[in-house]
Amino acid sequence: EIVMTQSPATLSVSPGERATLSCRASQSVSSNLAWYQQIPGQAPRLLIYGASTRATGVPATFSGSGSGTEFTLTISSLQSEDFAGYYCQQYTNWPLTFGGGTKVEIK
Amino acid sequence: EVQLLESGGGLVQPGGSLRLSCAASEFTFSTSAMTWVRQAPGKGLEWVASISATGGSTYYADSVKGRFTISRNNSKNTLNLQMHSLRVEDTAVYYCAKRGSGWFHGSWGQGTLVTVSS
Repeated sequence: EIVMTQSPATLSVSPGERATLSCRASQSVSSNLAWYQQIPGQAPRLLIYGASTRATGVPATFSGSGSGTEFTLTISSLQSEDFAGYYCQQYTNWPLTFGGGTKVEIK
Repeated sequence: EVQLLESGGGLVQPGGSLRLSCAASEFTFSTSAMTWVRQAPGKGLEWVASISATGGSTYYADSVKGRFTISRNNSKNTLNLQMHSLRVEDTAVYYCAKRGSGWFHGSWGQGTLVTVSS
């Protein structure tokens, strides 16, 4: 099983600032990496797939990078609606696995 | 816009059974692979099971293998999850999700809560 590790668990950021979230895989997942946003009480929303491709309707303030075992989600300028939980997921091998999540909170 | 609506959640005793359903609309269900993902209260996302578009291939997390069965009815645009021998640790919101061009998920239902408790 590929273990996905996200850091930090909680990130405190001021509105308008940049946020950088990390996701590490225990073995290479190539570019088969997705990022999701989850607002409390809501279903997850796909942000990024293929490590760096934005899903339909996702603003350009969100960008993904990386390949192999190291990945980054960057939110260039945090808006109020961006304070949420974020999860990475690998889809190279079964079982599909998610990282433990990063909570982005208002500083 | 893709619509996914889960139903069937509720309170069940340990060792009991429950059947979840997901009604799909506004896309061609019969050509879309599907997945169940769950989220325990206050915890992260956990993949549960996936099924190919035809239903010919199924995949399960070790934590549910042998207890849960994923299935689909393409004539009724419905995805199912039959759950047996439920445990307290199966308590979670269960989401159905539509696969994208790879095994990531671009569309999600609103979830249905399963509570396993005596």
